[in-house]
Amino acid sequence: GESVGLHLPTLSVQEGDNSIINCAYSNSASDYFIWYKQESGKGPQFIIDIRSNMDKRQGQRVTVLLNKTVKHLSLQIAATQPGDSAVYFCAVIEGMNRDDKIIFGKGTRLHILP
Amino acid sequence: DGGITQSPKYLFRKEGQNVTLSCEQNLNHDAMYWYRQDPGQGLRLIYYSQIVNDFQKGDIAEGYSVSREKKESFPLTVTSAQKNPTAFYLCASSRTGVNYGYTFGSGTRLTVV
Repeated sequence: GESVGLHLPTLSVQEGDNSIINCAYSNSASDYFIWYKQESGKGPQFIIDIRSNMDKRQGQRVTVLLNKTVKHLSLQIAATQPGDSAVYFCAVIEGMNRDDKIIFGKGTRLHILP
Repeated sequence: DGGITQSPKYLFRKEGQNVTLSCEQNLNHDAMYWYRQDPGQGLRLIYYSQIVNDFQKGDIAEGYSVSREKKESFPLTVTSAQKNPTAFYLCASSRTGVNYGYTFGSGTRLTVV
């Protein structure tokens, strides 16, 4: 079955610097990948997604990179701001079947240093 | 605006009590899910429902029950059989299957007193 893991449980970044949060997955058949942001005491919010037929996708200040060769996913946040403080976790879905379940990583807590 | 609403935000349960957490969505999503979140752990699936009047157990269903009588609603009951219910509970919904990602509610924090 699928397993999803993150390289670091906590990441501290200087305000204004770029942040890179990583995620690894185990199943090469994984098809769809999502990054979520969860602020303290709130539900996760969708940030950006990418499908397996792409290797890069950009949003506003965020970029997701997918390396299918090594089964690695990363989220890059440009010019990190205090409002970016949160737990970020990746989600991985295998295949396109109705019964496929989404597998969540445990999350990386991003701390912004003043 | 469409969204998914969980209530209450905070809930306290006495030993031996059953409590019900509400989850309502107006996104016209077919699928709904309940997750439990504990500190330092990822989201763990309790129950999910792909269609009205049908639901399946997730990875940690013991001590929980659900119903899906309406498309919009997927309440979760935490029964007295759940020995460690203190956690943050998240409800989510999605279009058919999981390939469109989830929309999450704001969560309910349940504490045993």
